[in-house]
This record gives sequence, structure tokens and C-alpha cells, in this order.
Amino acid sequence: EVQLVQSGAEVKKPGESLKISCQGSGYSFTTYWIVWVRQMPGKGLEWMGIIYPGDSVTRYSPSFQGQVTISADKSISTAYLQWSSLKASDTAMYYCARKKWDNSGMDVWGHGTTVTVSS
Amino acid sequence: DIQMTQSPSSLSASVGDRVTITCRASQGITNSLAWYQQKPGKVPKLLIYAASTLQSGVPSRFSGSGSGTDFTLTISSLQPGDVATYYCQKYNTAPWTFGQGTKVEIK
Repeated sequence: EVQLVQSGAEVKKPGESLKISCQGSGYSFTTYWIVWVRQMPGKGLEWMGIIYPGDSVTRYSPSFQGQVTISADKSISTAYLQWSSLKASDTAMYYCARKKWDNSGMDVWGHGTTVTVSS
Repeated sequence: DIQMTQSPSSLSASVGDRVTITCRASQGITNSLAWYQQKPGKVPKLLIYAASTLQSGVPSRFSGSGSGTDFTLTISSLQPGDVATYYCQKYNTAPWTFGQGTKVEIK
């Protein structure tokens, strides 16, 4: 079965660092983009950025450039999203999804990781 | 960057009605457009890609059309299980921007 399994919910304080993960299985991890999507409470989907695990090419949305870092370890089929200094406004659900390089959509999604940042 | 604008932002229709949602790109994106359905409290689900190709397993009452800057998602006969927010997304070049979403409810 093709799936993306995300790490568990996190509760952090402002200023703390965090790294959440997304592990793929059941498919060739290096031949699909991994996409990170933010959904703030009661709001819409926001595209944060992508990584191609095969060569670690990364692209960021201008809104998230410099605010987060996307990385991947293809040896363990895992992608990461990390913050060096969290803010309360980072409180959201974060999804990972996969997308092939061609004219296709994001067909498999992780279950999401809830991040709560509160003092 | 290319902006994606959906309309309407919400709609209420009766079971069996034909529902149409529009997505407009601020610049041409050929047919590099997908539609997603997100039911309350659930993970988004891919409905359509390449503007008009139905994802495997998606009911045939869903259809997509358009190319360039103007796209449409149509539900031919609205069902209670279609209550959700629908998002378009372009993916020709990064950033792969989403529309703001259209909330569909049953009247």
C-alpha cells in the first residue's frame, strides 16, 4: 500500500525549534516530489514548498522562504519540515503529499501533523 | 507569482443540482491544474488533474474543464456526501498555488 506517514502532534513554545517528518512507503520515494502544505485553523490550503528526494532539489513559496527548511533523507524515504524558531502564528496542521514530475496532481497525502505553538 | 482565484467562495445547493465552481489564473497555465476535495476534518483528496482527467476512483459526476486561465469544476448531481471545500491548484511552475477554496453545502 502506498502511504505517507507523518510524525505525531507537537506542542511547542515560541522560540523553540521543531522538525516534523513524512515517511513514504510502497512506492519509489526518489521519483516523486514531496509537497508540504499548511492549513491554519479554519483556513484554506497553503503550498509551502517541495523537495525532490532523488536529487534534493527544493523550491519554496515566497511566503515561506527563509521561515522553514525542507529536507529529505532518501536512504530512509523520509522528508522533513523544520523551524529554527517557532512563532504562535505557526500553529496549524501540516500535510505532506506526493506528486509525480508529470502533469498529475498530489495523489497521496499524509494524515497531517498538528503543530501548536503557545506560551 | 501567478494568483488563483476561485468563485464563488461558498454556495448552497439542493441534492441533485448541478454545481459549478470556477477557478481563474492570473496568467496562463496551460492545463496544469488540479482540483481537490476536503471534507470537514479530513485530509484533502485529489479529484481531477490536468484540468479534466478524473482521478481513479472518483465518481463520474465530477468533471473538470478549461485551459489557459479559466477552469471549471462541475458536480453534475450534488449528493449529500459532496459537502466539502473544493480547492483548485496550479502546478506548471513553482509556487504551486492553491485557490482560496469554495465551500459547498446542501440547501
